Amino acid sequence: GQQVMQIPQYQHVQEGEDFTTYCNSSTTLSNIQWYKQRPGGHPVFLIQLVKSGEVKKQKRLTFQFGEAKKNSSLHITATQTTDVGTYFCAPPAGGTSYGKLTFGQGTILTVHP
Amino acid sequence: EADIYQTPRYLVIGTGKKITLECSQTMGHDKMYWYQQDPGMELHLIHYSYGVNSTEKGDLSSESTVSRIRTEHFPLTLESARPSHTSQYLCASRRGADGYTFGSGTRLTVV
Repeated sequence: GQQVMQIPQYQHVQEGEDFTTYCNSSTTLSNIQWYKQRPGGHPVFLIQLVKSGEVKKQKRLTFQFGEAKKNSSLHITATQTTDVGTYFCAPPAGGTSYGKLTFGQGTILTVHP
Repeated sequence: EADIYQTPRYLVIGTGKKITLECSQTMGHDKMYWYQQDPGMELHLIHYSYGVNSTEKGDLSSESTVSRIRTEHFPLTLESARPSHTSQYLCASRRGADGYTFGSGTRLTVV
């Protein structure tokens, strides 16, 4: 079955440093979504990537989908304390785009001021 | 602005009690989901529904049950709560292949 590995599990950075989290799948993905969960909060949808090699940007956040559609990354440039939280990748479970999602283990980001 | 509502926000209850966690959404989404999440951990799917009168068990075995009698309402019931049920329960909904919208969650503690 599909396995999703997200690394690193934890990342501590100084404010202003960059941050990257990676999501790797054992199978080819039709698409992948990314979510952010603030401490004590609930996950919030950030973006969906669909096309091979796709790159999307949201201000300081850059999302990439691998050419083989088996991996994805989220990069934050010049982190701020507001970036603190857990970042989850979430590909579809079972191959269909319209059903349920499988969430990765998440990367917990801590930003030191 | 929350379009998906979960109640209660926090619940402390004794072992053996029956509980129902409420989830309602006003967006007309066809698909709804229940995830279980321990602090700092990943989300595990326990139930989902693709429409009225349609419910399925998720990947994580759960003693809870769900119902979907109305599009907007997807309650989760535990017939007999146990300390092992202590966790956060997150309800989510989506339309088609869009991103999930999550509720604020219910933090359940069974003592």
